[in-house]
Amino acid sequence: QSALTQPPSASGSPGQSVTISCTGTSSDVGSYNYVSWYQQHPGEAPKLMIYEVTKRPSGVPDRFSGSKSGNTASLTVSGLQAEDEADYYCNSYAGNNNLVFGGGTKLTVL
Amino acid sequence: QLQLQESGPGLVKPSETLSLTCTVSGGSISSSSSYWGWIRQPPGKGLEWIGTISHSGTTYNNPSLKSRVTISSDTSKSQFSLKLNSVTAADTAVYYCATQPQYYHFPYWGQGSLVTVSS
Repeated sequence: QSALTQPPSASGSPGQSVTISCTGTSSDVGSYNYVSWYQQHPGEAPKLMIYEVTKRPSGVPDRFSGSKSGNTASLTVSGLQAEDEADYYCNSYAGNNNLVFGGGTKLTVL
Repeated sequence: QLQLQESGPGLVKPSETLSLTCTVSGGSISSSSSYWGWIRQPPGKGLEWIGTISHSGTTYNNPSLKSRVTISSDTSKSQFSLKLNSVTAADTAVYYCATQPQYYHFPYWGQGSLVTVSS
């Protein structure tokens, strides 16, 4: 199984919206609604932000939203804030009990 | 609230076996429909799923790690463990344990344990 493809970097100014893509194949992202997104600040453990493509865990601001079209999932952060600056990773179920992560995207708030 | 804590040696010699334990508090690892996983992150790199164990002891491993991985659990101690054999420098990473209540995502993570493979 190959890692999901994410852009290495993304950026936006405070208050703007930014979308991070996560491209897989018809064997993972395209076949299952089991895409999740994680935020990781330096030196910390990842934090679940979105699961099952669009669902937000309790406590995650509604500025974070997820979607999927075909083999590509996306995470949108609206109303960017300084604390949103972090690395973001997508994850998808890939069948046969396998899970695969994306390579990560560094989000910079300008 | 569920808490997870990794423990184990921070330094392992090449060709030897890496062993880590995750202690769970605030919940039972034997509760039905629960899964418990290991994820690693080499320094400066991305996340990699290593494997998962179910509440009943069934294990699921990343095919890329082939047969080097063994995951087990001790419900009496509320712990689950990872063994990775024949390690090389490429196995140097922060190793995280996490819960997977429905297998497909990881809501709670341990703080991570850095394991360095070096002679």
